[in-house]
Amino acid sequence: DIQMTQSPSSLSASVGDRVTITCRASQTISTYLNWYLQKPGKAPELLIYAASSLQSGVPSRFSGSGSGTDFTLTISSLQPEDFATFYCQQSYTTPRTFGQGTKVEIK
Amino acid sequence: QVQLQESGPGLVRPSETLSLTCTVSGGSISSYYWSWLRQPAGKGLEWIGRIYINENTNYNPSLKSRVTMSVDTSKNQFSLKLNSVTAADTAMYYCAREGGEAVAGRALDYWGLGTLVTVSS
Repeated sequence: DIQMTQSPSSLSASVGDRVTITCRASQTISTYLNWYLQKPGKAPELLIYAASSLQSGVPSRFSGSGSGTDFTLTISSLQPEDFATFYCQQSYTTPRTFGQGTKVEIK
Repeated sequence: QVQLQESGPGLVRPSETLSLTCTVSGGSISSYYWSWLRQPAGKGLEWIGRIYINENTNYNPSLKSRVTMSVDTSKNQFSLKLNSVTAADTAMYYCAREGGEAVAGRALDYWGLGTLVTVSS
């Protein structure tokens, strides 16, 4: 299985901050990397697919980059509704695997 | 707008079989892979497996010996069976659509709300 490692596991930030979350794959996955946001008690929502493509309806403050094994999710200006847990996931091969999650909390 | 809805018992006895169904509305079940995932309380996401309309399946090796997925195109539904359950199978179970490569890079672009399954006697 491909192991996905996110960092940090949690972070505290303020509204308006620029936030960066990283995800590393244990082997190359090209750009088959997706990012999801999960709010408490809710199902995950797709934010970014194919490493850098913004899902329809997702605000432009979210962006993704990377290829191979190293990827980044950036939130350019953190909004109150962004305080949640973010997951990366590889769709290069099965079994699909997720990072352990990054919880973004209010400072 | 595609919508998914999980249904099934919320309580399953140890050693018995967990059975869930996902009903797809607002779109056809054809031409996509359909997935099951789960999430124990306070923990991360685990991919259980996926099925295509031709019954082609891929299962997580960690669960493969206990998992069966099926699809019913006439009802726009797909199903999960997990046998010999234990307390470790207690989790929120989600169904999701794996979007096509060109449209969504094989990401999970539509999700159900989830259904909590507790394994307990």
